[in-house]
Amino acid sequence: GAGVSQSPSNKVTEKGKDVELRCDPISGHTALYWYRQRLGQGLEFLIYFQGNSAPDKSGLPSDRFSAERTGESVSTLTIQRTQQEDSAVYLCASRKTGRGRNTGELFFGEGSRLTVL
Amino acid sequence: AQSVTQPDIHITVSEGASLELRCNYSYGATPYLFWYVQSPGQGLQLLLKYFSGDTLVQGIKGFEAEFKRSQSSFNLRKPSVHWSDAAEYFCAVGDSGGYNKLIFGAGTRLAVHP
Repeated sequence: GAGVSQSPSNKVTEKGKDVELRCDPISGHTALYWYRQRLGQGLEFLIYFQGNSAPDKSGLPSDRFSAERTGESVSTLTIQRTQQEDSAVYLCASRKTGRGRNTGELFFGEGSRLTVL
Repeated sequence: AQSVTQPDIHITVSEGASLELRCNYSYGATPYLFWYVQSPGQGLQLLLKYFSGDTLVQGIKGFEAEFKRSQSSFNLRKPSVHWSDAAEYFCAVGDSGGYNKLIFGAGTRLAVHP
């Protein structure tokens, strides 16, 4: 597709269950980001991928959160043993990077809304 | 550490009135600055960005923003607001050294009265 695609768009789960959220970046975009947006709040950085390596994982809130990326393609954010405070919209963004200073725009998906009961 | 402050959580304006949304940033070097808009049920859309050069930048939908280094500000303005501008607006700062990880403010929710 032309834009960043995320699935599922909505996920309701029970406390303690594991969930996987998927992001399909724009083709050719080497940089991929995950953000979390809690209700009524701003975007909170979680993790950044350049290709399939993650040089910046500083925003992952706990070891229950992990992410991986296959090549310069799909990324999966996994939350283990979900808690109610994990309820949020999880946004994925991608960016085309190149030589020199990176000035490219981040393109966002519409997000995956996670509700933990 | 980088940070972004948007002092106004909610703003209400009348249609046709002018608008200014405030944004202050904390960053030691020359920042990359962005404004994004998030409409209900939609993803974030880039309104405009500043990297260098002219401190007054023009964006889409009639928005502009001015970078003021002395005030560490990057306020968003529009001379005449339309009802369709009702949305949440986020200011963000990105580092210039590498990954362009964006740090977002908490957002300002704009309501427009007819």
